[in-house]
Order: sequence, then structure tokens, then C-alpha cells
Amino acid sequence: ETGVTQTPRHLVMGMTNKKSLKCEQHLGHNAMYWYKQSAKKPLELMFVYNFKEQTENNSVPSRFSPECPNSSHLFLHLHTLQPEDSALYLCASSRERQGPYEQYFGPGTRLTVT
Amino acid sequence: DAKTTQPTSMDCAEGRAANLPCNHSTISGNEYVYWYRQIHSQGPQYIIHGLKNNETNEMASLIITEDRKSSTLILPHATLRDTAVYYCIVRDPFSGGYNKLIFGAGTRLAVHP
Repeated sequence: ETGVTQTPRHLVMGMTNKKSLKCEQHLGHNAMYWYKQSAKKPLELMFVYNFKEQTENNSVPSRFSPECPNSSHLFLHLHTLQPEDSALYLCASSRERQGPYEQYFGPGTRLTVT
Repeated sequence: DAKTTQPTSMDCAEGRAANLPCNHSTISGNEYVYWYRQIHSQGPQYIIHGLKNNETNEMASLIITEDRKSSTLILPHATLRDTAVYYCIVRDPFSGGYNKLIFGAGTRLAVHP
């Protein structure tokens, strides 16, 4: 149990579908992150939230829309995705946005866009 | 952020110590050394971090050279479950507005019976 859960664990969607990824952290942390890991590529940071406020958008296309209703929940809304968006999407949290605090990762959602 | 260099892959026999090196010759005084690992198709797992002093926790030990230009992660008694990609990341956690981790290719550690 990492303290960070993600649902669903696997998702297959067509390019015209709309779906959402959910992340929940049970650690009392204030900062949450979305990462993308494509096949044979390093993890890439997508979004950072601190106290529900988005503090970083790492040049992510608008077809990815994050939402953070409170410090414990983070969503990634997906619409009109492309096949190249197929990847492992990882959520993470840390105690604070700044400081030498480790990030705790969820198990990820394996997304396949057909 | 300082660049890190790690070997692409390493092997280790089960029960033996695994010593994973990381070079960070351009590290600045405020930058910490972090280690994470990623077991196949799972989320990365935090292992340990340090600034200047050597650190030890229940998972591993981190040895940082006196000049801080390199470090070694030590898994004292490797098991098959330690087979993973290990990432060494150098980062000033107080700069840039947030603690941004930049993952490289890491070292693929294979523990064999």
C-alpha cells in the first residue's frame, strides 16, 4: 500500500471518447503531480498542484485537462486523444510543493488509445 | 539541475550487496541527491535522499563522496524483488517553485539467483 491509489489501472479508449483518470492520496500531502511515461522514455512531468492550485503546466496539450477539487484528489480528464498518447500515467504526491520531500507514486493507469 | 550519469545496466547475485554508482560532477551546494526505483510497469518508489552526509534507512544506504561529485546507493542484501530501474536525481528542492524531479534513463539492476 503506497498511500496513493489510481483508477482505473487499465483503460482502452477511442480517439473520440472522453474519459477521466482518478488519483487519491491518503497521506495528508499538499502537493500532487501527474506524470506521463511513454514506452522506452523517461518519466515526464505534466502538471503540479499545490493546495488545489495548479502551479505548473509543462506544455501539455489541451486535450489533457487536470482537476484538483481538494488536496486528496486529482483527476486527469481526457478527450480526443491521439494514439501517441498511449502511455502509463502516474500520479504522485508530496508533503509540500517545495522542500526535500520525497514523492510517493501511485501504481499508474495504463492507457491505450485506439 | 546538475546532470547525472549512471551505468545503463548492472547485475548482482541474490544475497550480495548491490552498489549502484552515480556521477554528478556539476552538483551545486544546495542540490540534494535522490534515489528512486521503478519495478517493471509500476510507479516509481522513493528509496533515499541526502545532501552531504551519508544516509541509511530500512531500504538502503547512500554514500556521498566528500566533494559531492559522486554517490553510491547500496542495497546491502539484494533480493530478486530488487530487480528494477534505479534513478539517481540531483535537485535543489527549493528552486523553481516546486520540487521537480527529472528522471533520466537510470540503471537497470538485474538480481539473479
